[in-house]
Amino acid sequence: RKEVEQDPGPFNVPEGATVAFNCTYSNSASQSFFWYRQDCRKEPKLLMSVYSSGNEDGRFTAQLNRASQYISLLIRDSKLSDSATYLCVVTPANTNAGKSTFGDGTTLTVKP
Amino acid sequence: EAGVTQFPSHSVIEKGQTVTLRCDPISGHDNLYWYRRVMGKEIKFLLHFVKESKQDESGMPNNRFLAERTGGTYSTLKVQPAELEDSGVYFCASSQVWPSIEQYFGPGTRLTVT
Repeated sequence: RKEVEQDPGPFNVPEGATVAFNCTYSNSASQSFFWYRQDCRKEPKLLMSVYSSGNEDGRFTAQLNRASQYISLLIRDSKLSDSATYLCVVTPANTNAGKSTFGDGTTLTVKP
Repeated sequence: EAGVTQFPSHSVIEKGQTVTLRCDPISGHDNLYWYRRVMGKEIKFLLHFVKESKQDESGMPNNRFLAERTGGTYSTLKVQPAELEDSGVYFCASSQVWPSIEQYFGPGTRLTVT
């Protein structure tokens, strides 16, 4: 079993749709969680950190459930520009530890 | 503020040759990481520097890979001798020390070994 597993996708949705991505992680000691966005043949770019209390940034909402070891990303009112691969990233508890573990990514295509 | 830069952007070499990749982190970022994405696979951690010290190199695949960060600024990753399975995209990332550990990625070096 992979340490970080994401919805395999791909997700194809019309503009304006709401879409949710799920991610589970196996290391219960993990402490920091992120969603990155990666456009084709580009580097991953930080989309948002994920906190236990949940956090929202515009149309994007991230949730963390430590008990279930589950992370989610909700995108409301999808735009064409949201088309990308979304990566779930988990980092160990040590504040200076960088061994981030990436999921395979979930590809989203938003269509007109 | 300049982001993480990597050089070269692409490299095509023959099996058995040597290649050196370079990464310049964001100024002031003590943490520097190397990752690799092999085709069809997820991005995988290679190693982590804190300043010039290797904090964690558990992801380095074998002793053909050597990473350095002299002076705690830029880093190099040398592959010698290169094998076909080393082909992929090598990403470098950097982050500040506590409390912000978000990592910022460079554009990557696409390595092709033929």
